[in-house]
Amino acid sequence: KAGVTQTPRYLIKTRGQQVTLSCSPISGHRSVSWYQQTPGQGLQFLFEYFSETQRNKGNFPGRFSGRQFSNSRSEMNVSTLELGDSALYLCASSLSRAAGVDTEAFFGQGTRLTVV
Amino acid sequence: QQQVKQSPQSLIVQKGGISIINCAYENTAFDYFPWYQQFPGKGPALLIAIRPDVSEKKEGRFTISFNKSAKQFSLHIMDSQPGDSATYFCAASIEIGGSYIPTFGRGTSLIVHP
Repeated sequence: KAGVTQTPRYLIKTRGQQVTLSCSPISGHRSVSWYQQTPGQGLQFLFEYFSETQRNKGNFPGRFSGRQFSNSRSEMNVSTLELGDSALYLCASSLSRAAGVDTEAFFGQGTRLTVV
Repeated sequence: QQQVKQSPQSLIVQKGGISIINCAYENTAFDYFPWYQQFPGKGPALLIAIRPDVSEKKEGRFTISFNKSAKQFSLHIMDSQPGDSATYFCAASIEIGGSYIPTFGRGTSLIVHP
C-alpha cells in the first residue's frame, strides 16, 4: 500500500514568488491536513480538508491557501513568498477525521521549501 | 504563546536505559494526546496516544503516563535501543468541527548510545 506522496521533495524559490505543493493521500483516505515545520516554531497546523472542503485552518496569513480535489489529492499554495516561509511542509492523510482518536494520520516525507 | 511545553529539548541515554520525555499543556479543552516519532528525512509517525480518562497506556516498550489534574503527560521508553534515536513530539488535540486539531510540543531529540 503506497504511503502519502508529496511533490516536489525540494524547492528553491525567490522572495515574492508563489509556490504550489502537492500531496497525494493514501488510497481511500479522504482527510488531508497540512503542517509547517521549522526549527524556530516547530510543527504547526496549517489547514485540513475533507471531501474537497476546508474544515479547519490554523493561524497563518491569507497567503497560505489550499484545496482538495475530488480524488482527495490536495495542493497548498503560498503567494508572495517571504524568507520566513522557508520550512518543511508536511501533509498527512487519514480515513476520516484528521489525527482523530480512532483514526491515525499518516505523514508524507514533506517538501523542503527554501526561499532566497 | 506555546500551549504545549515539551522537555527536555535533547536527551542522551545508554542502550537499555529509560528515556523520559515530559509535556505540559494549558488548555483543559484538549482531549487527545498523541506522541509522534520522527526520523531524519521522514515525516512524523504516530507512536502511541492517550485520552484523558486514562492515566496510563502501554504499548510494548512505550508508555504514556497522564496526569489530568497537573495537565502533564510523559512518554517513557523502556530498554531504550539505538534504533529509538529520533525526534519525539508530543501533541495535544482539540476537537473542532468534527476533526482533532493538534498543537505540538517543540520536540525532543533522543540519542541512544550503543
